[in-house]
Amino acid sequence: SQQGEEDPQALSIQEGENATMNCSYKTSINNLQWYRQNSGRGLVHLILIRSNEREKHSGRLRVTLDTSKKSSSLLITASRAADTASYFCATEAAGNKLTFGGGTRVLVKP
Amino acid sequence: DAGVIQSPRHEVTEMGQEVTLRCKPISGHNSLFWYRQTMMRGLELLIYFNNNVPIDDSGMPEDRFSAKMPNASFSTLKIQPSEPRDSAVYFCASSQDSTGSYTFGSGTRLTVV
Repeated sequence: SQQGEEDPQALSIQEGENATMNCSYKTSINNLQWYRQNSGRGLVHLILIRSNEREKHSGRLRVTLDTSKKSSSLLITASRAADTASYFCATEAAGNKLTFGGGTRVLVKP
Repeated sequence: DAGVIQSPRHEVTEMGQEVTLRCKPISGHNSLFWYRQTMMRGLELLIYFNNNVPIDDSGMPEDRFSAKMPNASFSTLKIQPSEPRDSAVYFCASSQDSTGSYTFGSGTRLTVV
């Protein structure tokens, strides 16, 4: 079963706009991570936020974590056509294994 | 570092045949994971190893699937006999416990006809 569920399942925006996607999970976690997957490729790690952190930034990425609501959001600012990809949240609970959500497909139109 | 290396990139086989997927993790990483990705079920963890020892194989679908890690630089995932429903992209990933993040390989696209 999937621990994380992303919302929306798909997102289409114009280049330059911001893209926001959300992730909800069910059990207590050690950390939550976001990954990107381009079509036909492997997943690439974007950012990790620990359970005692509330917000983290990396370049144009901003991640928030609300452990009381068991939810996280990923914001991509000033999107580019190259940001077109699927984005997955993944949660690490006990045992150092990640459980992935179903992903959000993002299309950035030039 | 060349990253996590998987082979083959593509595999087409007939139902009933044995399939072996290979993975070379990043040097120095002590955990290795096998995932399967399909449209219907998303990314599923099949098995993971820590320091070459299988820790959790609860995701392995059935006895037709087996995985080994004979040393720190090599792992295999074997399906015998293969079935059409095994068709998927199989990913290997490795991590260093201290960082928490995973590095994925490019995957093996398996088609069983």
